[in-house]
Order: sequence, then C-alpha cells, then structure tokens
Amino acid sequence: DTEVTQTPKHLVMGMTNKKSLKCEQHMGHRAMYWYKQKAKKPPELMFVYSYEKLSINESVPSRFSPECPNSSLLNLHLHALQPEDSALYLCASSQSGTGLYEQYFGPGTRLTVT
Amino acid sequence: GESVGLHLPTLSVQEGDNSIINCAYSNSASDYFIWYKQESGKGPQFIIDIRSNMDKRQGQRVTVLLNKTVKHLSLQIAATQPGDSAVYFCACAQGGSEKLVFGKGTKLTVNP
Repeated sequence: DTEVTQTPKHLVMGMTNKKSLKCEQHMGHRAMYWYKQKAKKPPELMFVYSYEKLSINESVPSRFSPECPNSSLLNLHLHALQPEDSALYLCASSQSGTGLYEQYFGPGTRLTVT
Repeated sequence: GESVGLHLPTLSVQEGDNSIINCAYSNSASDYFIWYKQESGKGPQFIIDIRSNMDKRQGQRVTVLLNKTVKHLSLQIAATQPGDSAVYFCACAQGGSEKLVFGKGTKLTVNP
C-alpha cells in the first residue's frame, strides 16, 4: 500500500478564516512533506518533517503553520491567507529523510482563498 | 543552488511510438534522480528512480538513463499509450538532503 490520503479535497476560505489541511500515511514512513503547486508549475517544497521534527522550512510565511502530531499524520494550519495562496497543496511521505528514497504523494487539497 | 530544466515543455506522439523526455540538472553533487507522472487533478505518481552509481534502470515499459558527464537525465516510455498522457516531472536531490528539486515539467500528449 503506497497511499497517502489528504482531506479535504477542496477548500474555499476567506482571508480571515482559520482552516487546516490533513494528511495521513500508514506506510511506516518517517519523513513527511508539504508542497504547494500552482497551475502549470512544478511542486514547490514548503516544509519537511523528519522523525516528527521540523527539519526544513523553505522560508514559508507564518500564516502557514505545520504540525506533525505523530509519525502517520501531518497537518497544515492556515490563517489569514491571501488570494495568491490559492493553489494545490500536496502532502508526500518517504521512507526516511535522507533524500534517497522515493516520495509518495497524496491527491492534494485544492485551496481557493477569496 | 540546484536548478532542473526540461528541454521541451510539450511532446506529442502517436500511440504505439516510443517517447523520450529529457531533463538537465545543474548540481554535479546531485546523486538521486526521480521521475513523476501527474495527471490532471491528481498528485504526482512515482514512475522510476535512479541513483548516481547507475547509468540505466528499467521498469515496466519505462527506462531512465543518467549521463553524469553532461548532467542529463531521460525517461523513455516504450509503446506509448493514451493513458500515458500526463505531465512528467524530473526531480533530483543531493545525498543526505531531504529536498527534491523539480524540473518544470513536460506535457506528453498521446494521439490515437
């Protein structure tokens, strides 16, 4: 089973709202990732958790707040977003955080900020 | 920093033909390379990967070739099918790094 699940599939939120994106994997992977993908562009790395600790933050604005409650779950808390934050948000996981193993992606959450 | 580029943003082939998608990378310290397929409305799907101690790796209908001398990577798809139509991304990482750097993507269209 190489499945990464993400909820919700679609999310529309206003600029004053607070919402959360959720990601789950049951492959025993110890690294989990958040990516942002704009239309017709490649995924851009936002955060990496390795062994439940934040190891990479790609200078992401503080209105995005990641959380890794346990090795299977990854959340992305959203607050006071801007319309330009509208994008597909992808979660991925890999066996370890050494960068030498394939990352498996979820289907993404399509976020629209109004 | 690392940059990864694709030679052609679009590729159109006839069903049954072989497809070749090319990718160039800039960081000679990159030692892990991976190809993803992304269909419309879906997340990227792992196709095949290769480490720098190899120059060729084969999967089911796919082959990845790595030329470290010229920092070039290619994905070959044999007997291309309409279901292969998608955007293909190459990505690479430096040893010990958790960060994959993605290329811009090539949109493959398979004509019946």
